[in-house]
Amino acid sequence: DGGITQSPKYLFRKEGQNVTLSCEQNLNHDAMYWYRQDPGQGLRLIYYSQIVNDFQKGDIAEGYSVSREKKESFPLTVTSAQKNPTAFYLCASSIIGTDTQYFGPGTRLTVL
Amino acid sequence: AQRVTQPEKLLSVFKGAPVELKCNYSYSGSPELFWYVQYSRQRLQLLLRHISRESIKGFTADLNKGETSFHLKKPFAQEEDSAMYYCASRGTSGSRLTFGEGTQLTVNP
Repeated sequence: DGGITQSPKYLFRKEGQNVTLSCEQNLNHDAMYWYRQDPGQGLRLIYYSQIVNDFQKGDIAEGYSVSREKKESFPLTVTSAQKNPTAFYLCASSIIGTDTQYFGPGTRLTVL
Repeated sequence: AQRVTQPEKLLSVFKGAPVELKCNYSYSGSPELFWYVQYSRQRLQLLLRHISRESIKGFTADLNKGETSFHLKKPFAQEEDSAMYYCASRGTSGSRLTFGEGTQLTVNP
């Protein structure tokens, strides 16, 4: 199970505050992804990155931002512009050109 | 745009019964299809991929291009198969996956 970590496991924030979720991997994977998991809606892609200093919007990028300054790290910021931020967030990584994504344990964000 | 549909949010079967989790996709090209599984308190992980034509933990899935389906099947379900199952597709460009809504499978004793 090791290799890709997310912290913290649970996160609580007040409405209107930005919050950053951490995702780190030591698998030497080039590609990293952020998903949001909601009951009945499956996994929806927020952002992904295939190389350092470059990233692309997924299907639900509004209200989120990312950075990819290092290969190992792909932090996700949930901004106050995200209308419904309470959710379970999953980070994943993969080797470019392969089809298997490796997932982290997830962070459950609750906005009060 | 790709789309993956899993029509059953919940599926309940008894131990030893056959189980089929449905997945339909929409893509004009030749997608790659996958099944991912999330057991209780474990991470989401790859179960199988259509290109390998493999059987994992007794599960198989056949890509039916005519029906645009990739249903997951197991002839005799076990209690340890209880989990959330996600069907996913990947197009010919890039590495991103498109996931379905997920099916929660419960195998009763």
